[in-house]
Amino acid sequence: DVKVTQSSRYLVKRTGEKVFLECVQDMDHENMFWYRQDPGLGLRLIYFSYDVKMKEKGDIPEGYSVSREKKERFSLILESASTNQTSMYLCASSLLGYTNYGYTFGSGTRLTVV
Amino acid sequence: QKEVEQDPGPLSVPEGAIVSLNCTYSNSAFQYFMWYRQYSRKGPELLMYTYSSGNKEDGRFTAQVDKSSKYISLFIRDSQPSDSATYLCAMTSGGYQKVTFGTGTKLQVIP
Repeated sequence: DVKVTQSSRYLVKRTGEKVFLECVQDMDHENMFWYRQDPGLGLRLIYFSYDVKMKEKGDIPEGYSVSREKKERFSLILESASTNQTSMYLCASSLLGYTNYGYTFGSGTRLTVV
Repeated sequence: QKEVEQDPGPLSVPEGAIVSLNCTYSNSAFQYFMWYRQYSRKGPELLMYTYSSGNKEDGRFTAQVDKSSKYISLFIRDSQPSDSATYLCAMTSGGYQKVTFGTGTKLQVIP
């Protein structure tokens, strides 16, 4: 069964901490995405990557960075966590050039910053 | 104006009812339309996808696209408590273009 795996389901971090969210896919997909999901705001794209070492800003990149050293792994980094980054974070992947088949999502990481 | 509009609900229906979930959109370039189901505290999972206008049926689920009205629907027949979830519509012009999501409609099916 193909899947996107996010390393943590729940995380609690302190304000100012550096936070790493990890995502691994086993589908050999080129595209990988990081979204955050908040009530009433839906899915908002933070960053995406269409190849190793490539990254593109999404709609809300401020306060975040990403790393893609291997095709199957895409990491989201919160440089200095703040309470307004408390959210559900979702990783997704897709084949390059085939977005008509949609994205495959991970189960999400619920991050609480205190 | 958002590219994709979706009523957030919540929508509460009795078990066995026919459910209609809808989205409108403004970008006429969208050609591929998807519905995702998201259970509480889980990631969205792809339920159905369709191309251009028309209907597509899969078991109790029917997806309908009306490109002339820029309106898509998901119908659920004989709804079950296990259908209780948030349903997100999504669409893209395909190829290398990103997918645009609605904000989701929360559905509760009451036994």
